[in-house]
Amino acid sequence: DAGVTQSPTHLIKTRGQQVTLRCSPISGHKSVSWYQQVLGQGPQFIFQYYEKEERGRGNFPDRFSARQFPNYSSELNVNALLLGDSALYLCASSLRLTDTGELFFGEGSRLTVL
Amino acid sequence: QKEVEQNSGPLSVPEGAIASLNCTYSDRGSQSFFWYRQYSGKSPELIMFIYSNGDKEDGRFTAQLNKASQYVSLLIRDSQPSDSATYLCAVNWTGGFKTIFGAGTRLFVKA
Repeated sequence: DAGVTQSPTHLIKTRGQQVTLRCSPISGHKSVSWYQQVLGQGPQFIFQYYEKEERGRGNFPDRFSARQFPNYSSELNVNALLLGDSALYLCASSLRLTDTGELFFGEGSRLTVL
Repeated sequence: QKEVEQNSGPLSVPEGAIASLNCTYSDRGSQSFFWYRQYSGKSPELIMFIYSNGDKEDGRFTAQLNKASQYVSLLIRDSQPSDSATYLCAVNWTGGFKTIFGAGTRLFVKA
């Protein structure tokens, strides 16, 4: 069975640009969460979506937005990129809404902002 | 503000020894506790979860939870060089929709 897939795996942007990251969860998983991981730190929660609705949001500015599609895949959008947005962006899926701690991560999208 | 604290390490142990990784959390409403392993350049991988006070064993791994002390630990017996990684402690709250991660402890197992 395929695990969580993310695209692109690496990308380079310049300040002020916009980026869209994509995630496909494990088949049958309805919950998708997004995390940002800066080098040397643990993952920081950005969003959780379940059944196409936003169920949780972390302490990130409104430049960050996300959505979930009917097939449970998800996109994370970041507008007006800043140098500090450079990080590994991780998507994680879980089976049910309340299983949010048992997360299955994709390999991540590494974003570099120049 | 819910927080999860870990010693960043590095923790260095010889091959075959027991590695002990510790984690404290700030909120007594915490419900579920997880240990993830993250190899350099890779994504986190769930290795253990524990919901109740006491010990939970899975192969060479034992998770220990003490809710009164707000403390959770991971013991790795017979440590192998392949166990060298960063171990992330994570906490989820009842009815919560996010999991909070600690900064991780780097473990080195010397052959």
